[in-house]
Amino acid sequence: ENVLTQSPGTLSLSPGERATLSCRASQSVSSNYLAWYQHKPGQAPRLLIYGASARATGIPDRFSASGSGTDFTLTISRLEPEDFAVYYCQQYGSPYIFGGGTKVEIK
Amino acid sequence: QLQLQESGPGLVKPSETLSLTCTVSGDSISGSSYLWGWIRQPPGKGLEWIGSMYYNGGTYYNPSLKSRVSISVETSKNQFSLNLRSVTASDTAVYYCARARPRAAALSESWGQGTLVTVSS
Repeated sequence: ENVLTQSPGTLSLSPGERATLSCRASQSVSSNYLAWYQHKPGQAPRLLIYGASARATGIPDRFSASGSGTDFTLTISRLEPEDFAVYYCQQYGSPYIFGGGTKVEIK
Repeated sequence: QLQLQESGPGLVKPSETLSLTCTVSGDSISGSSYLWGWIRQPPGKGLEWIGSMYYNGGTYYNPSLKSRVSISVETSKNQFSLNLRSVTASDTAVYYCARARPRAAALSESWGQGTLVTVSS
C-alpha cells in the first residue's frame, strides 16, 4: 500500500520568505495523480494543485508544484500572511490517500 | 458561487449509524458531471477520503470503509448524504462534503466547512 510522507512536519518562516514542502510516496504515483491542499483551522480545505503541477482555478502564481513518480514538491515563492496554514498532498488515484501534512507557521 | 453545507447529528452512539447530509447551492447535482463526496479528519489527525458518487449512481468508496459506507443523492433537494454503519469511537471526526472533478473521484475541488461528529455513549 502506498504511503505519502510529507516533510518537514513544521516549517517556521517569515512573510516574504520562500517555502518548499516535500511529499514523498513509497510507490510511484500513477499518472501523476497528485494534489496539494491548503487547510486553515475552522475553514474548508482548498485545492491548490492537481496533476502534480497544475494550479486550480483562482490559485495565485506564487504557488507552484513539481515532481513525478515518488517525489513531489510544493513551493510558495513569497509567503503572504494568508499562506500560513497546513498543507496536505494527496494521491487521488487508487489508493486514495493523503499525506500527514506540513504546517507552515509564522517564525 | 458554489457552496456546500454539512448537517446532521453531532453525537452518535457506538454501533449506530452516522448520517449526514450535504446541501449544495450554486450548482445542480443532477445537471453536473462532477462527483459528490465525503472526506473526514479525526481530531489531531490527517485527512481520510471516504467516497464519492455521480448523481446517476456511479459510486467510489475507500476500500477501508467500503463495507460500512453508503453515499446517496437526493436530486429533488439538491442534496447528497453519507451513511456510516456500526460506528465506533474511531469514527469521531470532522466530516467534510465536497465536489470532486469528473473522472477523478477523490480530487475534491470545493469543500464545505465541515461538521464535527462525536461517537460516544
